[in-house]
Amino acid sequence: GAGVSQSPSNKVTEKGKDVELRCDPISGHTALYWYRQRLGQGLEFLIYFQGNSAPDKSGLPSDRFSAERTGESVSTLTIQRTQQEDSAVYLCASSPWPTSTGELFFGEGSRLTVL
Amino acid sequence: AQSVAQPEDQVNVAEGNPLTVKCTYSVSGNPYLFWYVQYPNRGLQFLLKYITGDNLVKGSYGFEAEFNKSQTSFHLKKPSALVSDSALYFCAVRGTSGGYNKLIFGAGTRLAVHP
Repeated sequence: GAGVSQSPSNKVTEKGKDVELRCDPISGHTALYWYRQRLGQGLEFLIYFQGNSAPDKSGLPSDRFSAERTGESVSTLTIQRTQQEDSAVYLCASSPWPTSTGELFFGEGSRLTVL
Repeated sequence: AQSVAQPEDQVNVAEGNPLTVKCTYSVSGNPYLFWYVQYPNRGLQFLLKYITGDNLVKGSYGFEAEFNKSQTSFHLKKPSALVSDSALYFCAVRGTSGGYNKLIFGAGTRLAVHP
């Protein structure tokens, strides 16, 4: 597609439920990143994919969070047993590889609200 | 560890006046620095970057940024602000030399341009 696509754009769930957030990167971009943006705060790095592998998972806040990527394309971020503190906008970004010094291309985000 | 500080939560400026949004950084080695803008309910958009070379970097929408190594700063500037520039601005530094663009973001500065 023309840009990074994320779905759903908004998700409201009850505490304790599992949620899946999807990211479809720009075609040909083999590097994919997930970030979290809590209300009024900056972006927190969660995980980086190169192809289908994740060499950097250092930002995942707990074992309730996981992500996978298949076919060097779509990625899914899964949050199990959601908590209210998981409420945030989850942003996905992609970039070409190998990268020189280029920027990240961001989607519009998935806004998660945990009641 | 790499980090970025944006000391102002909000900057207010009158339309037509020059604007500055401040950013300081802490990195080991040569910094790769970025500015992004976020409009309401949208993802982040790349504005400009500094990698090497001229300390004054020009970017999108008439923005520019000045890299100052001695002050470890990378302030965003525009000679004449527009109301449409009102948005959330993020400074970021590349957080790894591993060849991928893991960006470490500041907390963001909200720019409000008044008519």
